[in-house]
Amino acid sequence: DTGVSQDPRHKITKRGQNVTFRCDPISEHNRLYWYRQTLGQGPEFLTYFQNEAQLEKSRLLSDRFSAERPKGSFSTLEIQRTEQGDSAMYLCASSFPDRKNTEAFFGQGTRLTVV
Amino acid sequence: AQSVAQPEDQVNVAEGNPLTVKCTYSVSGNPYLFWYVQYPNRGLQFLLKYITGDNLVKGSYGFEAEFNKSQTSFHLKKPSALVSDSALYFCAVRDAGKAAGNKLTFGGGTRVLVKP
Repeated sequence: DTGVSQDPRHKITKRGQNVTFRCDPISEHNRLYWYRQTLGQGPEFLTYFQNEAQLEKSRLLSDRFSAERPKGSFSTLEIQRTEQGDSAMYLCASSFPDRKNTEAFFGQGTRLTVV
Repeated sequence: AQSVAQPEDQVNVAEGNPLTVKCTYSVSGNPYLFWYVQYPNRGLQFLLKYITGDNLVKGSYGFEAEFNKSQTSFHLKKPSALVSDSALYFCAVRDAGKAAGNKLTFGGGTRVLVKP
C-alpha cells in the first residue's frame, strides 16, 4: 500500500498520560500535515512540515503538543499530560514536493479517547 | 484569514436523483478549492479540486463541482446519486498566494443520505 499510513488506529489513554502517534507519508511527498477532527466537525489544521522543517503551527497546538519529522520522512505527534478535551481523530496528510496546487492525501487517522 | 461555510448539516436525496452539496468560501487571494469525502471511522478521500481554468471540474465517482467567483461558491454535484454515496462531505479552501502557507481550511461538513 502506497498511501499515508498512521499508527495506531485507536488509542485509549488515561487523563494525564502521554501519547505519541506516528505518520508515514507517501514516499515521494516532502510535505506533511497534521489535522485534528472532533466529532461532527471539519478537520482543523495543527501543523505543517516541509522535509524536516516545521514551517507552520496553529494556535491550537498548545505547549503540550509537539510534532517532529526528524529525517524528513515519517512524523510523530506527541501529546503530553492528556486532557479529556484532547479526545479527537488525529489526521495526517502529505502532498507532492514543489507543487503547492496539488491535493493532500490523508491517512486513516488515529482516534484518541482520553478517559 | 480563510473560511468555508457548508450551510446544510444534512442532505437527503432519493437514489437516482441529482445531488447537490453547497459550499461558499472566503479567502483574501485566489482560491484553491477541494472536495473530500469521509466514510465512518475513515480518513478523508480526495474527490476533486479547482485550481484554475474551467469553472466546471470533474472528479472521482461521477462527481463534479462548479466554481463561481462572483458568488464565492464551489457546489458539489452528482447527476444521479447512489446509496453508496451516503457519507460526510467536506469542502476546503487554500489561499493560492505564496505567503499564505499551505494549510487547508475545511467547512463543517455535510452529511449526505441517499435513500433507496
